[in-house]
Amino acid sequence: QQQVKQSPQSLIVQKGGISIINCAYENTAFDYFPWYQQFPGKGPALLIAIRPDVSEKKEGRFTISFNKSAKQFSLHIMDSQPGDSATYFCAAGLGAARQLTFGSGTQLTVLP
Amino acid sequence: DVKVTQSSRYLVKRTGEKVFLECVQDMDHENMFWYRQDPGLGLRLIYFSYDVKMKEKGDIPEGYSVSREKKERFSLILESASTNQTSMYLCATTGGNNSPLHFGNGTRLTVT
Repeated sequence: QQQVKQSPQSLIVQKGGISIINCAYENTAFDYFPWYQQFPGKGPALLIAIRPDVSEKKEGRFTISFNKSAKQFSLHIMDSQPGDSATYFCAAGLGAARQLTFGSGTQLTVLP
Repeated sequence: DVKVTQSSRYLVKRTGEKVFLECVQDMDHENMFWYRQDPGLGLRLIYFSYDVKMKEKGDIPEGYSVSREKKERFSLILESASTNQTSMYLCATTGGNNSPLHFGNGTRLTVT
């Protein structure tokens, strides 16, 4: 049972453009929604995270938009750069120990 | 910075072998996790541990076991490796609530 659905599987964006990755979840008990960024040969690293009591969180060029009623959240990367080329995973967390359920990943390529 | 060290970057094992994947963290975190990463499937939780000698099954525990004899070390064991266990294995740790999940750089296991 896939509890977190992520799309698209791959995304190609021109430098300076906006990258948008979407996720949908099923379990309304989830209370923590992070995005992880993974470069080749490295483990995923936390990029930005949001809790369900806010609808948007922005950190630099990265923004999470959260729609609790639709059970959806998305990552927006403004002014995308070639250095942003990586695999991005959304996740949903439950409980104090941060047991996360991950989406299937999106491979982002930003063309120079 | 949290350091999560996985003992091997690459491993090649034969079908039927017993395989040990080791993970060590330097932050005195109570919570440790083992995920496997496969293209198109994202990260799936195999086992996790909230304390020494404590373990809980994740979403895909079949064919795996774990050991946590010391707080800093969490081992994943493939009792009898099979080709469908060829994958990237990621260890992670967190200090708990409001603390992000920190990943190691992974062990790419090939079972032939």
